[in-house]
Amino acid sequence: NAGVTQTPKFRILKIGQSMTLQCTQDMNHNYMYWYRQDPGMGLKLIYYSVGAGITDKGEVPNGYNVSRSTTEDFPLRLELAAPSQTSVYFCASSYSGGIMNTEAFFGQGTRLTVV
Amino acid sequence: AQKITQTQPGMFVQEKEAVTLDCTYDTSDPSYGLFWYKQPSSGEMIFLIYQGSYDQQNATEGRYSLNFQKARKSANLVISASQLGDSAMYFCAMRGPDLIQGAQKLVFGQGTRLTINP
Repeated sequence: NAGVTQTPKFRILKIGQSMTLQCTQDMNHNYMYWYRQDPGMGLKLIYYSVGAGITDKGEVPNGYNVSRSTTEDFPLRLELAAPSQTSVYFCASSYSGGIMNTEAFFGQGTRLTVV
Repeated sequence: AQKITQTQPGMFVQEKEAVTLDCTYDTSDPSYGLFWYKQPSSGEMIFLIYQGSYDQQNATEGRYSLNFQKARKSANLVISASQLGDSAMYFCAMRGPDLIQGAQKLVFGQGTRLTINP
C-alpha cells in the first residue's frame, strides 16, 4: 500500500525560483494537509483541503499556494523561493467524517533548501 | 489558541527501562484530541497513540501508554521496556474541534529527542 507519496524527496532551489511539491494519496481520504518542519522544531500547518476544489490557509501560508483538483492530489506551489522557506515539507491525509480519533497519515517528506 | 509544550529537548535512557516523555497543552475547547507521533532519523512521522478529551480511560497501544491528567492539562507518553529502536524524536500534537469542516488541523510541540543506550 502506497499511502501518501511525496515527490521529490530532496531539492535545492535558488532564491527567486519556483517549484511545485507533489503529493498524492491512495486511501480515498477527503482531507489533505501540508506542514513544514523547521530544524529542531515541530510541524506547522501551511494549507489544508477538505475536498476537491476546497482549500484553506493554515498557520503559515505566506509564500505558498495550493490547489485540489482531485481527491488524490494536493500539490504545494512555491512561487518566489526565499531562504526562510528552507525546511522539510510533509504532506498528510486523514479520513473525513469529523471523527476525532482518526490519525493523519504522513508522507516521507521533502527536504527543500533555498540558497 | 491551542498550544503544546514539550519541555524535555533530550532524554537518555538505558535499554529496557521505562521512560516518560512530558507534554502539556493549553486549550479553551472542551473537546479535543491528543496524539503522539514518532519521527526516526529517516524522517517519517509514525502515529503512536491517541487520547480524546472525553475518554475515561488512559489510552494504551502495546508498549505505549498515555498518562492523561485532564485537570493538569498533561498528556505524557510512557514507553515501557525501552528498546534501541525507540531512539527517535517524539512529538505531542493536539487537534481541536473543527465542527464545520472536520479537518485534522494539528498543533505540534517542539519534540523530545529520545536516545536509548545499550
